[in-house]
Amino acid sequence: GQNIDQPTEMTATEGAIVQINCTYQTSGFNGLFWYQQHAGEAPTFLSYNVLDGLEEKGRFSSFLSRSKGYSYLLLKELQMKDSASYLCAVRESNYQLIWGAGTKLIIKP
Amino acid sequence: IAGITQAPTSQILAAGRRMTLRCTQDMRHNAMYWYRQDLGLGLRLIHYSNTAGTTGKGEVPDGYSVSRANTDDFPLTLASAVPSQTSVYFCASSADGEVTEAFFGQGTRLTVV
Repeated sequence: GQNIDQPTEMTATEGAIVQINCTYQTSGFNGLFWYQQHAGEAPTFLSYNVLDGLEEKGRFSSFLSRSKGYSYLLLKELQMKDSASYLCAVRESNYQLIWGAGTKLIIKP
Repeated sequence: IAGITQAPTSQILAAGRRMTLRCTQDMRHNAMYWYRQDLGLGLRLIHYSNTAGTTGKGEVPDGYSVSRANTDDFPLTLASAVPSQTSVYFCASSADGEVTEAFFGQGTRLTVV
């Protein structure tokens, strides 16, 4: 069956680094996405991985291991504005997205 | 400003009533999607359209219908609303079904009582 697992909630300190993990079991694989969603707002695109390895974009990096069905989103130099939910989504072979429930990240001063 | 717009922003609806959620994009994207988001669950796909004139069923299509008469508009209709359809509804679009990034509307918060 299809399943995407992420921690429900994480807490980190301003200026620190946090890693949000995502594991998946899906029918086929055609890319993994990370989106950010602030409370009451729409999700916005952060990163996309289709090959194994690390993709870096400023303070945010995303890693993928297809053989392990595993990804993580790494946020560096945390800022208060990074408080949000982070959604992991896998695109299956039919190009449909399967979404995780999201990880709520709380940043403390 | 280019983007994707949903209307209404929020709505309280009596059970049994018919309701259409509107979605318009001006990015000339071929693919459009309707999702619902419920607490503790991931976004779930209701219906999608890969191009004007075609639609498809997603993960949770029952009780919902869509149409795609043109590229810009993708309305979602609840024929006879039930309380389990209380949710936040997001419309999204992407240039095509294979492109990486999807753009989301601001959402419609629907409460069925």
